[in-house]
Amino acid sequence: DAKTTQPPSMDCAEGRAANLPCNHSTISGNEYVYWYRQIHSQGPQYIIHGLKNNETNEMASLIITEDRKSSTLILPHATLRDTAVYYCIVLIWGSARQLTFGSGTQLTVLP
Amino acid sequence: DVKVTQSSRYLVKRTGEKVFLECVQDMDHENMFWYRQDPGLGLRLIYFSYDVKMKEKGDIPEGYSVSREKKERFSLILESASTNQTSMYLCASSLWAGGPVEDTGELFFGEGSRLTVL
Repeated sequence: DAKTTQPPSMDCAEGRAANLPCNHSTISGNEYVYWYRQIHSQGPQYIIHGLKNNETNEMASLIITEDRKSSTLILPHATLRDTAVYYCIVLIWGSARQLTFGSGTQLTVLP
Repeated sequence: DVKVTQSSRYLVKRTGEKVFLECVQDMDHENMFWYRQDPGLGLRLIYFSYDVKMKEKGDIPEGYSVSREKKERFSLILESASTNQTSMYLCASSLWAGGPVEDTGELFFGEGSRLTVL
């Protein structure tokens, strides 16, 4: 699986959009971009995933660049409950057993 | 909503004890996983199971075994606990990877079991 690079930490003001970047320059054509988050002392939670088109669900939006070498997770109106570690992962569709979590980005939403 | 329930949030055991960590999911998922999470090491896969009585080793199976007698239940067993097995243990489940379009390949995690071995 391709390696991802994320900033170790970010802050965001409550109510503003949080934009979390991820670089995955070695991603291959059959690898999807997945985002998970982990709130302190809880298990990771799936957020969204995509292949090459932008995706949106009730939690977030995922913007993938045309060359697929990077992506951005957008939380449109961050709340204090969005404070968590966010993980960007690339893996082949359906190969959940190869899912590995790196260090992620610690997002802190400030009041 | 999918619910993955781990039997204990916190356990304290002594070196050499046999430890059972239980995990139950209520969405009829085929795949179940056991991970451990340690600071600086991320999540590491211990074992996974894709069907009843089926299991495969993950990246760090040494010192662990698993049991899947029923589809909804996946147990992690530490035959003789050691201090280096002090960790957060996470169970997860997912739909079968080769399934229909609605199979997103996403994992649903339990709340975790924090094990301390003294």
